[in-house]
Amino acid sequence: AQSVTQLGSHVSVSEGALVLLRCNYSSSVPPYLFWYVQYPNQGLQLLLKYTSAATLVKGINGFEAEFKKSETSFHLTKPSAHMSDAAEYFCAVSGPIQGAQKLVFGQGTRLTINP
Amino acid sequence: GAVVSQHPSRVICKSGTSVKIECRSLDFQATTMFWYRQFPKKSLMLMATSNEGSKATYEQGVEKDKFLINHASLTLSTLTVTSAHPEDSSFYICSASRGANYNSPLHFGNGTRLTVT
Repeated sequence: AQSVTQLGSHVSVSEGALVLLRCNYSSSVPPYLFWYVQYPNQGLQLLLKYTSAATLVKGINGFEAEFKKSETSFHLTKPSAHMSDAAEYFCAVSGPIQGAQKLVFGQGTRLTINP
Repeated sequence: GAVVSQHPSRVICKSGTSVKIECRSLDFQATTMFWYRQFPKKSLMLMATSNEGSKATYEQGVEKDKFLINHASLTLSTLTVTSAHPEDSSFYICSASRGANYNSPLHFGNGTRLTVT
């Protein structure tokens, strides 16, 4: 089975500071990894995805994530936080076991931006 | 771009009644749709995979007679919560896929907040 663990249910940073949201995965097969953002009472929007190509993946809104197989990690970063980044972020994994788009989500990390 | 429309966005119903939630792909044909349930401050739990023209595949622990899924066309899947009870109150989200491979984008609806009184 595949699983994802997001370290820290709540992260708070100052506007302009580095954003780092942690995600570790467990998978017995090469994983496909995703980061999604959810604003209040809305669905999920894809930020970026890793599908076995480049290990450093750039996404929308200035976010990027690096796949590190040795650390089984896929942490999400953004150099400079903006107030509009405040939201819930979910890391997710899929792969041959779970099927093409049957995503297994982490617990989510709520990002708060302090002015 | 591709859009998935979910309706209604909010619904309040009385215990014992049934509620239907619709998920529509507006500008593409979705062979597969997924239904998730999200508990407060929790992650999304996959409930079932809805395949056009065939029976839905339910995840372990999800009551198929409680949560009826119908995918009658390539643009519409419905989730009916039958005989709803307060514990069914939750945020339900659907997603739709254009295809079955990893490069096919997955698009999410904006969710339906169900409150059962």
